[in-house]
Amino acid sequence: QVQLVQSGAEVKKPGASVKVSCKASGYTFTGYYMHWVRQAPGQGLEWMGWINPNSGGTNYAQKFQGRVTMTRDTSISTAYMELSRLRSDDTAVYYCARDPGRSGWPADLDYWGQGTLVTVSS
Amino acid sequence: QSALTQPPSASGSPGQSVTISCTGTSSDVGGYNYVSWYQQHPGKAPKLMIYEVSKRPSGVPDRFSGSKSGNTASLTVSGLQAEDEADYYCSSYAGSTVVFGGGTKLTVL
Repeated sequence: QVQLVQSGAEVKKPGASVKVSCKASGYTFTGYYMHWVRQAPGQGLEWMGWINPNSGGTNYAQKFQGRVTMTRDTSISTAYMELSRLRSDDTAVYYCARDPGRSGWPADLDYWGQGTLVTVSS
Repeated sequence: QSALTQPPSASGSPGQSVTISCTGTSSDVGGYNYVSWYQQHPGKAPKLMIYEVSKRPSGVPDRFSGSKSGNTASLTVSGLQAEDEADYYCSSYAGSTVVFGGGTKLTVL
């Protein structure tokens, strides 16, 4: 069965960087785009971007351009999301989610990781 | 890219039907038939309930249905059950990016 298992909670100081991992199993990792979505406490979902695990190509939301880097290691079926220059309003649960690629467009997300809480505090 | 607009709350009694709207623009909801809906219970990851406007993934009850007219998509939950109480989010393809709605808290009275 498809599973996305994310790394554990992180506490970071303002200005630092955080790197969250997402290990995929139960399917061919390179066959499906991976998206990252975050959710601040008590707030809604916010799309951050996607990575094509096959080519390494990425597309980031304009809001995060210059601060976010999405990478992957195909040898261990793991995607990564690194966010730099952290601020207090980056405190959120970060999710990875698989795109089933039904249409060829980044249209829906069928499997989600359990989420990783990143807390930014001095 | 602005978030899609959803009502903050909706409610209904068990057995009733409730509809949640999701309004965007011609650059997202109105421009493509790639609207999705997600259900999220407290402390849990979102779950895909509807994709491509009106299609249900395997395992999602047929009490959940989706539709679209112009720049507004809708999710209808029929025969409300207690376990349907959750937050619901719409999302849309927006030209190589994805945009979410602000979410709607559905309360089963």
